[in-house]
Amino acid sequence: EAGVAQSPRYKIIEKRQSVAFWCNPISGHATLYWYQQILGQGPKLLIQFQNNGVVDDSQLPKDRFSAERLKGVDSTLKIQPAKLEDSAVYLCASSHLALTGGQDTEAFFGQGTRLTVV
Amino acid sequence: QQPVQSPQAVILREGEDAVINCSSSKALYSVHWYRQKHGEAPVFLMILLKGGEQKGHEKISASFNEKKQQSSLYLTASQLSYSGTYFCGTDQTGANNLFFGTGTRLTVIP
Repeated sequence: EAGVAQSPRYKIIEKRQSVAFWCNPISGHATLYWYQQILGQGPKLLIQFQNNGVVDDSQLPKDRFSAERLKGVDSTLKIQPAKLEDSAVYLCASSHLALTGGQDTEAFFGQGTRLTVV
Repeated sequence: QQPVQSPQAVILREGEDAVINCSSSKALYSVHWYRQKHGEAPVFLMILLKGGEQKGHEKISASFNEKKQQSSLYLTASQLSYSGTYFCGTDQTGANNLFFGTGTRLTVIP
């Protein structure tokens, strides 16, 4: 099966500019995640969608970050305005229904978008 | 809420064994283990559920001590392909919203 698709792979912007990332999850996966991974650290969950509803966005800096998942499939993550500390790899992942846990909640990650804010 | 992993880094020769530990201060529903190679996406290794058995995957296995909120990943007879950074992700609610540790960098040399 096709994996999680993300674009663009790389993006360089100046601080205070805006940027958007796109993610297409594995077909049939109800749950979609956006993670931020700063160099040398583990991924940090920004937002989790179940179909087109938000399950968890407690770590999303809502003053500058926004995300949507229209129609419960593709998703976009936006940063406006960007700061230097937003430089990171933004990973999208998807999994089957996750609310009850269990063996089928393996998350598949995309290749990520490497964002550099200068 | 971020779990603590140890060691931070380890170097092995092919065929040697290693143990990576993951500890949380919160009660856990499950622990997930991933491996990430440089410049690549994290790849799933296994999930350990509360009340579940020790899991195995070829020469990689793991355990979960619910009382101590600790998990350990065991790599036996390491291969060059095992090199990478290993992350544990902890799930406190069963909703799969993971908190990842800072990672353990494993290097296997010939």
